[in-house]
Amino acid sequence: AQSVTQPDIHITVSEGASLELRCNYSYGATPYLFWYVQSPGQGLQLLLKYFSGDTLVQGIKGFEAEFKRSQSSFNLRKPSVHWSDAAEYFCAVGAFGNEKLTFGTGTRLTIIP
Amino acid sequence: DTGVSQNPRHKITKRGQNVTFRCDPISEHNRLYWYRQTLGQGPEFLTYFQNEAQLEKSRLLSDRFSAERPKGSFSTLEIQRTEQGDSAMYLCASSSTRGEGQPQHFGDGTRLSIL
Repeated sequence: AQSVTQPDIHITVSEGASLELRCNYSYGATPYLFWYVQSPGQGLQLLLKYFSGDTLVQGIKGFEAEFKRSQSSFNLRKPSVHWSDAAEYFCAVGAFGNEKLTFGTGTRLTIIP
Repeated sequence: DTGVSQNPRHKITKRGQNVTFRCDPISEHNRLYWYRQTLGQGPEFLTYFQNEAQLEKSRLLSDRFSAERPKGSFSTLEIQRTEQGDSAMYLCASSSTRGEGQPQHFGDGTRLSIL
């Protein structure tokens, strides 16, 4: 069975600082990996996805993520955060065919001035 | 692309009542998914459809829950005899099967509160 671990429940970062959110997955084959962002009371917005090819993927809002098979990781990064990035971030893994996603428990990001 | 639409956005009901939620997917998407999200957790898969066929149901989907997608377009999720533990955000998502790795696009959810 597939699973996702997001070790950091809550992260606080100063505006303008760099950001890295951790994600570790468990899946027997090559996974489909996703990062979604959720603002309070809203649905999930797709930031980026990986399913093959270049292991460094670019997403919206200046985010990027790197797939590292040897570490079973798919960490999300941003070089300089903005106050509007404050939200909940979810990493998800899907099987081939993408019939369903398994999500981590999320990381809540707080931005301080 | 008008996005995934869910109605209602909020539903408050008394324990024991039945509730029904509706999801309208992105028009060209043939797959539709339902997830449940409780406070402080990530979404959990409930079920999914490809066109009108319901292809997989999670063990979370007890016999009080039923989902339909009668014409392969919109979908409804009904909960009968609601319980306190049903309080959650119910999220709908849709995706296309054209091409590999098509992501799921989510609606804003229906928040259910059981009194």
